[in-house]
Amino acid sequence: KAGVTQTPRYLIKTRGQQVTLSCSPISGHRSVSWYQQTPGQGLQFLFEYFSETQRNKGNFPGRFSGRQFSNSRSEMNVSTLELGDSALYLCASSIFQGQGPTDTQYFGPGTRLTVL
Amino acid sequence: AQSVTQLGSHVSVSEGALVLLRCNYSSSVPPYLFWYVQYPNQGLQLLLKYTSAATLVKGINGFEAEFKKSETSFHLTKPSAHMSDAAEYFCAVTISSNTGKLIFGQGTTLQVKP
Repeated sequence: KAGVTQTPRYLIKTRGQQVTLSCSPISGHRSVSWYQQTPGQGLQFLFEYFSETQRNKGNFPGRFSGRQFSNSRSEMNVSTLELGDSALYLCASSIFQGQGPTDTQYFGPGTRLTVL
Repeated sequence: AQSVTQLGSHVSVSEGALVLLRCNYSSSVPPYLFWYVQYPNQGLQLLLKYTSAATLVKGINGFEAEFKKSETSFHLTKPSAHMSDAAEYFCAVTISSNTGKLIFGQGTTLQVKP
């Protein structure tokens, strides 16, 4: 079974631009979560989607948004990029059979975003 | 609110020595706890998880962790370190049964010396 895939793997943007990152979960997984990883702040939760609905949202500004499609693929968008948005963005999927946090979350390799 | 503290941002051990990575949690309700490993330029891989079934949890690659409620700890151990264990390790917690949202610790980088 293929793992979680994220595209692109690397991205370079300039301040003020916007960016869209894509995540394809493991087949059959309905939950997708996004995390931002930086050396200073560590791993921080961005948002979680389940069946095309945002279930949870972290403490990030409105410039960060996401969505999930009917095939469970998810995208996240960052508008008006700032230097501080440079980070590794990780996507995780889980089957979410109603067992909540006991479901294992499988992480993708991440998208490395550099903002110049 | 839940939180996780990993003591020691860097731990160095010799090959064959005991690995001990410390994790303490703060939670007002029984937590679910996880250890993940991250190799360079890769995502996170689950090592093990505590879901209240048993306090001693065995994971992959010879790792295990013991949940100690009285100490609010969930330390990760491995009896004998291998060079391939060099990576960054994250402890994470969640308490909600309706979400996969994880709160991560700051991570511990494990160095294994030959």
